[in-house]
Amino acid sequence: DTGVSQDPRHKITKRGQNVTFRCDPISEHNRLYWYRQTLGQGPEFLTYFQNEAQLEKSRLLSDRFSAERPKGSFSTLEIQRTEQGDSAMYLCASSPRDRAQETQYFGPGTRLLVL
Amino acid sequence: AQTVTQSQPEMSVQEAETVTLSCTYDTSESDYYLFWYKQPPSRQMILVIRQEAYKQQNATENRFSVNFQKAAKSFSLKISDSQLGDAAMYFCAYRRGGADGLTFGKGTHLIIQP
Repeated sequence: DTGVSQDPRHKITKRGQNVTFRCDPISEHNRLYWYRQTLGQGPEFLTYFQNEAQLEKSRLLSDRFSAERPKGSFSTLEIQRTEQGDSAMYLCASSPRDRAQETQYFGPGTRLLVL
Repeated sequence: AQTVTQSQPEMSVQEAETVTLSCTYDTSESDYYLFWYKQPPSRQMILVIRQEAYKQQNATENRFSVNFQKAAKSFSLKISDSQLGDAAMYFCAYRRGGADGLTFGKGTHLIIQP
């Protein structure tokens, strides 16, 4: 049973560049979540999907952030025109179909550094 | 908006001793879940224990147990027989019923003294 995977694990970019991160959830998990974690803070919820539908995106930090899950499997998070304040760990999590199983399983994260 | 407060930025405990991490939350919802997650250094976050708000019985998972005081909106984590592998950041988290994202506290850094 493989866990949630994220790629890349580390990303260094220059201010103004676009970056895209990928998340592969646990097989058969239909819910997928994105979080941002800055140094010394807990993760901050950004958005989530149920299958391919994005059910919450008001928490995305700005219109430079967007996420997709086109076939209800893997998801991508894109940040356009990166700023130094975007430097953080971006976490992905997935959860199973059954409502009774509310646990979210986290991936290892993508650490972004914007120079 | 829901908030989660962890008032202890850092806690230290001797190996084999017991330690309690504090968490309070604020919500107007009646249907919600509470969680404790552990984040070891440079490793991914894993679930330690969860509590459904409608259950009065405190959750227990081996050496980990919670003290859930719904009226006081308090959800503390007790770790018994602390082990070196327990050293990590511990995050308290809240989620209302449904499929919203988690709201996390700022975390408590737990140090285990050998």
